[in-house]
Amino acid sequence: EDQVTQSPEALRLQEGESSSLNCSYTVSGLRGLFWYRQDPGKGPEFLFTLYSAGEEKEKERLKATLTKKESFLHITAPKPEDSATYLCAVPLNDYKLSFGAGTTVTVRA
Amino acid sequence: SAVISQKPSRDICQRGTSLTIQCQVDSQVTMMFWYRQQPGQSLTLIATANQGSEATYESGFVIDKFPISRPNLTFSTLTVSNMSPEDSSIYLCSAQGSTDTQYFGPGTRLTVL
Repeated sequence: EDQVTQSPEALRLQEGESSSLNCSYTVSGLRGLFWYRQDPGKGPEFLFTLYSAGEEKEKERLKATLTKKESFLHITAPKPEDSATYLCAVPLNDYKLSFGAGTTVTVRA
Repeated sequence: SAVISQKPSRDICQRGTSLTIQCQVDSQVTMMFWYRQQPGQSLTLIATANQGSEATYESGFVIDKFPISRPNLTFSTLTVSNMSPEDSSIYLCSAQGSTDTQYFGPGTRLTVL
């Protein structure tokens, strides 16, 4: 069965302490992998799409990478405003997204 | 990217009543979707809102409970019918245009007493 698994469930960081989040998937024939950020009480905000192994995308302190079995979201020198839940998702067909459970990141000043 | 608004942003409803949530996109889009996000959980797709035809529901969701309309390429509604406390959740609208990226609205937080 197609599956998307994120780890860890929660991550507590000190400001400036870099770390990585993992998203592993078992979808066959990957059509892309999406990363979203979700703040409490708000809808997911699109961050990145990755399509092929070896691809990397960057935005401010975030960098997403993709291999054949997983994706990593690296947070470099995080700030408190990077605190959020980060979701990854893969399409099961042309439009249906399967979401992971998310990683909740808390960055302390 | 698409900018999506939802109304209401939150509501508290009594058991047995119905609530209609509106979703407006700032541009014409091919696909619109409705998701549910229960407390502490990830997103679950309820249905795809098809313009000019009946919505396509995912397993576990039925039209009688979650009727959906999509009269044009920028607007959709989701009704949560005959509500029970188990329907308390965040309901999210999303849209997908010419690219394969889905953009989400801010969500509607529903509490059923």
